[in-house]
Amino acid sequence: KNEVEQSPQNLTAQEGEFITINCSYSVGISALHWLQQHPGGGIVSLFMLSSGKKKHGRLIATINIQEKHSSLHITASHPRDSAVYICAVKSNNNDMRFGAGTRLTVKP
Amino acid sequence: NAGVTQTPKFQVLKTGQSMTLQCAQDMNHEYMSWYRQDPGMGLRLIHYSVGAGITDQGEVPNGYNVSRSTTEDFPLRLLSAAPSQTSVYFCASGRDETGELFFGEGSRLTVL
Repeated sequence: KNEVEQSPQNLTAQEGEFITINCSYSVGISALHWLQQHPGGGIVSLFMLSSGKKKHGRLIATINIQEKHSSLHITASHPRDSAVYICAVKSNNNDMRFGAGTRLTVKP
Repeated sequence: NAGVTQTPKFQVLKTGQSMTLQCAQDMNHEYMSWYRQDPGMGLRLIHYSVGAGITDQGEVPNGYNVSRSTTEDFPLRLLSAAPSQTSVYFCASGRDETGELFFGEGSRLTVL
Protein backbone atom coordinates (compact mmCIF):
# COMPACT_ATOMS: atom_id res chain seq x y z
CA LYS A 1 0.00 0.00 0.00
CA ASN A 2 1.37 3.40 -0.99
CA GLU A 3 2.03 5.82 1.83
CA VAL A 4 0.16 8.51 -0.10
CA GLU A 5 -3.08 7.63 -1.84
CA GLN A 6 -4.94 10.01 -4.13
CA SER A 7 -8.44 9.73 -5.50
CA PRO A 8 -9.73 9.78 -8.08
CA GLN A 9 -6.95 8.85 -10.51
CA ASN A 10 -8.78 10.52 -13.38
CA LEU A 11 -11.51 13.13 -13.32
CA THR A 12 -13.46 14.72 -16.14
CA ALA A 13 -15.66 17.72 -15.40
CA GLN A 14 -17.70 20.27 -17.27
CA GLU A 15 -16.66 23.89 -17.08
CA GLY A 16 -18.11 25.52 -13.99
CA GLU A 17 -18.32 22.37 -11.89
CA PHE A 18 -17.01 22.13 -8.31
CA ILE A 19 -14.14 19.65 -8.10
CA THR A 20 -12.67 17.76 -5.16
CA ILE A 21 -9.48 15.73 -5.15
CA ASN A 22 -8.63 13.67 -2.09
CA CYS A 23 -5.34 12.65 -0.50
CA SER A 24 -4.85 10.18 2.34
CA TYR A 25 -1.50 9.39 3.92
CA SER A 26 -0.25 6.88 6.45
CA VAL A 27 2.88 8.51 7.90
CA GLY A 28 3.47 11.29 10.38
CA ILE A 29 4.05 14.50 8.51
CA SER A 30 5.45 17.97 9.03
CA ALA A 31 3.83 19.40 5.90
CA LEU A 32 1.62 18.49 2.97
CA HIS A 33 1.98 19.98 -0.50
CA TRP A 34 -0.44 20.21 -3.38
CA LEU A 35 1.29 20.51 -6.74
CA GLN A 36 0.01 21.12 -10.25
CA GLN A 37 1.76 19.62 -13.27
CA HIS A 38 0.84 21.15 -16.57
CA PRO A 39 0.58 19.14 -19.81
CA GLY A 40 3.99 20.51 -20.81
CA GLY A 41 5.53 18.94 -17.71
CA GLY A 42 6.22 21.96 -15.51
CA ILE A 43 5.39 21.63 -11.81
CA VAL A 44 3.95 24.46 -9.74
CA SER A 45 3.35 24.49 -6.01
CA LEU A 46 -0.26 25.36 -5.17
CA PHE A 47 -0.34 25.00 -1.40
CA MET A 48 1.76 23.97 1.55
CA LEU A 49 -0.31 22.98 4.58
CA SER A 50 0.49 21.88 8.09
CA SER A 51 -2.99 22.48 9.52
CA GLY A 52 -6.40 23.93 8.74
CA LYS A 53 -7.36 25.45 5.44
CA LYS A 54 -5.87 27.72 2.77
CA LYS A 55 -7.53 29.54 -0.10
CA HIS A 56 -6.02 31.05 -3.22
CA GLY A 57 -8.43 32.36 -5.81
CA ARG A 58 -10.70 29.48 -6.85
CA LEU A 59 -8.55 26.88 -5.10
CA ILE A 60 -9.09 25.71 -1.55
CA ALA A 61 -7.00 23.15 0.33
CA THR A 62 -7.85 21.58 3.65
CA ILE A 63 -6.05 19.15 5.91
CA ASN A 64 -7.23 17.03 8.84
CA ILE A 65 -4.13 15.93 10.72
CA GLN A 66 -6.01 13.52 13.01
CA GLU A 67 -7.62 11.72 10.05
CA LYS A 68 -4.47 12.00 7.88
CA HIS A 69 -6.47 13.38 5.01
CA SER A 70 -6.34 16.42 2.76
CA SER A 71 -8.62 17.71 0.03
CA LEU A 72 -8.08 20.09 -2.85
CA HIS A 73 -11.18 21.88 -4.10
CA ILE A 74 -11.56 23.87 -7.30
CA THR A 75 -14.60 26.11 -7.55
CA ALA A 76 -16.04 27.20 -10.92
CA SER A 77 -13.65 24.96 -12.83
CA HIS A 78 -12.24 26.13 -16.15
CA PRO A 79 -10.52 24.30 -19.02
CA ARG A 80 -7.24 25.95 -18.02
CA ASP A 81 -7.43 23.98 -14.75
CA SER A 82 -6.80 20.80 -16.77
CA ALA A 83 -3.61 19.32 -15.35
CA VAL A 84 -2.30 16.60 -13.07
CA TYR A 85 -2.67 17.43 -9.38
CA ILE A 86 -0.18 15.80 -7.05
CA CYS A 87 -0.29 15.44 -3.28
CA ALA A 88 3.06 15.21 -1.49
CA VAL A 89 3.84 14.75 2.18
CA LYS A 90 6.98 15.73 4.03
CA SER A 91 7.52 13.19 6.78
CA ASN A 92 8.91 14.06 10.18
CA ASN A 93 12.37 12.81 9.11
CA ASN A 94 12.41 15.15 6.06
CA ASP A 95 11.72 12.40 3.56
CA MET A 96 9.09 13.17 0.95
CA ARG A 97 6.45 10.88 -0.53
CA PHE A 98 4.18 11.61 -3.47
CA GLY A 99 0.80 10.46 -4.56
CA ALA A 100 0.39 9.07 -8.07
CA GLY A 101 -1.50 12.19 -9.14
CA THR A 102 -5.02 12.97 -10.31
CA ARG A 103 -5.45 13.81 -13.98
CA LEU A 104 -8.14 16.46 -14.30
CA THR A 105 -9.78 17.35 -17.61
CA VAL A 106 -12.25 20.23 -17.67
CA LYS A 107 -14.35 20.39 -20.82
CA PRO A 108 -15.79 23.64 -22.12
CA ASN B 1 14.22 36.42 -11.35
CA ALA B 2 15.40 33.13 -12.83
CA GLY B 3 14.04 30.97 -9.96
CA VAL B 4 15.30 27.38 -10.28
CA THR B 5 17.39 26.64 -13.36
CA GLN B 6 18.13 23.11 -14.49
CA THR B 7 20.56 22.12 -17.22
CA PRO B 8 20.61 20.33 -19.55
CA LYS B 9 16.94 19.98 -20.52
CA PHE B 10 17.64 16.88 -22.61
CA GLN B 11 20.50 14.38 -22.52
CA VAL B 12 21.17 11.00 -24.10
CA LEU B 13 23.85 8.81 -22.52
CA LYS B 14 25.27 5.39 -23.16
CA THR B 15 25.35 2.83 -20.38
CA GLY B 16 28.37 3.43 -18.15
CA GLN B 17 28.84 7.08 -19.02
CA SER B 18 28.87 9.70 -16.32
CA MET B 19 27.20 13.08 -16.25
CA THR B 20 26.07 15.85 -13.97
CA LEU B 21 22.67 17.49 -13.92
CA GLN B 22 23.01 21.07 -12.77
CA CYS B 23 20.56 22.89 -10.54
CA ALA B 24 20.89 26.51 -9.47
CA GLN B 25 18.54 28.82 -7.59
CA ASP B 26 18.75 32.55 -7.01
CA MET B 27 16.25 32.84 -4.14
CA ASN B 28 18.72 32.16 -1.29
CA HIS B 29 16.79 29.02 -0.39
CA GLU B 30 18.27 26.69 2.17
CA TYR B 31 16.38 23.58 1.05
CA MET B 32 17.14 21.95 -2.31
CA SER B 33 16.12 18.57 -3.62
CA TRP B 34 16.21 16.23 -6.61
CA TYR B 35 13.35 14.02 -7.84
CA ARG B 36 12.80 11.58 -10.64
CA GLN B 37 9.47 11.05 -12.36
CA ASP B 38 8.69 7.81 -14.11
CA PRO B 39 5.44 6.74 -15.80
CA GLY B 40 3.29 4.85 -13.34
CA MET B 41 5.65 5.64 -10.43
CA GLY B 42 5.03 9.29 -9.83
CA LEU B 43 7.66 11.54 -8.32
CA ARG B 44 10.30 10.09 -6.02
CA LEU B 45 12.84 11.93 -3.89
CA ILE B 46 16.49 11.10 -4.72
CA HIS B 47 18.55 13.39 -2.47
CA TYR B 48 17.98 16.60 -0.59
CA SER B 49 19.93 19.28 1.24
CA VAL B 50 18.88 21.55 4.08
CA GLY B 51 21.82 23.89 3.65
CA ALA B 52 25.34 24.27 2.30
CA GLY B 53 27.52 21.35 3.33
CA ILE B 54 24.52 19.17 4.33
CA THR B 55 23.00 16.45 2.15
CA ASP B 56 20.84 13.43 2.85
CA GLN B 57 19.27 10.54 0.98
CA GLY B 58 15.69 10.30 -0.14
CA GLU B 59 13.68 7.32 -1.28
CA VAL B 60 15.81 6.30 -4.30
CA PRO B 61 19.43 7.47 -3.78
CA ASN B 62 21.32 4.52 -5.30
CA GLY B 63 23.35 5.41 -8.39
CA TYR B 64 23.33 9.14 -7.65
CA ASN B 65 25.69 11.47 -5.80
CA VAL B 66 25.12 15.04 -4.68
CA SER B 67 27.07 17.81 -3.02
CA ARG B 68 26.12 21.26 -1.74
CA SER B 69 29.19 23.48 -1.63
CA THR B 70 27.18 26.70 -2.05
CA THR B 71 23.64 27.78 -1.17
CA GLU B 72 22.86 28.36 -4.85
CA ASP B 73 23.95 25.08 -6.48
CA PHE B 74 22.94 21.45 -5.98
CA PRO B 75 24.34 19.22 -8.76
CA LEU B 76 23.23 15.62 -9.24
CA ARG B 77 25.89 13.22 -10.48
CA LEU B 78 25.41 9.91 -12.23
CA LEU B 79 28.77 8.12 -11.99
CA SER B 80 27.91 5.17 -14.24
CA ALA B 81 24.59 5.59 -16.00
CA ALA B 82 22.22 2.63 -16.33
CA PRO B 83 19.08 2.25 -18.49
CA SER B 84 17.05 2.17 -15.25
CA GLN B 85 18.03 5.81 -14.75
CA THR B 86 16.13 6.87 -17.85
CA SER B 87 13.67 9.35 -16.41
CA VAL B 88 12.64 12.97 -16.10
CA TYR B 89 14.53 14.69 -13.31
CA PHE B 90 13.28 17.71 -11.37
CA CYS B 91 15.16 19.95 -9.00
CA ALA B 92 13.26 22.01 -6.42
CA SER B 93 14.14 24.52 -3.73
CA GLY B 94 12.37 26.00 -0.74
CA ARG B 95 12.98 28.58 1.97
CA ASP B 96 13.30 25.68 4.40
CA GLU B 97 12.32 22.02 4.54
CA THR B 98 8.65 22.78 5.23
CA GLY B 99 8.19 25.77 2.93
CA GLU B 100 6.68 26.15 -0.50
CA LEU B 101 8.64 24.32 -3.20
CA PHE B 102 9.82 25.92 -6.43
CA PHE B 103 10.55 23.49 -9.25
CA GLY B 104 12.88 23.65 -12.20
CA GLU B 105 11.58 22.85 -15.67
CA GLY B 106 12.90 19.31 -15.63
CA SER B 107 15.64 17.39 -17.42
CA ARG B 108 14.79 14.43 -19.63
CA LEU B 109 17.55 11.80 -19.50
CA THR B 110 17.71 8.75 -21.71
CA VAL B 111 20.29 6.03 -21.07
CA LEU B 112 20.81 3.63 -23.95
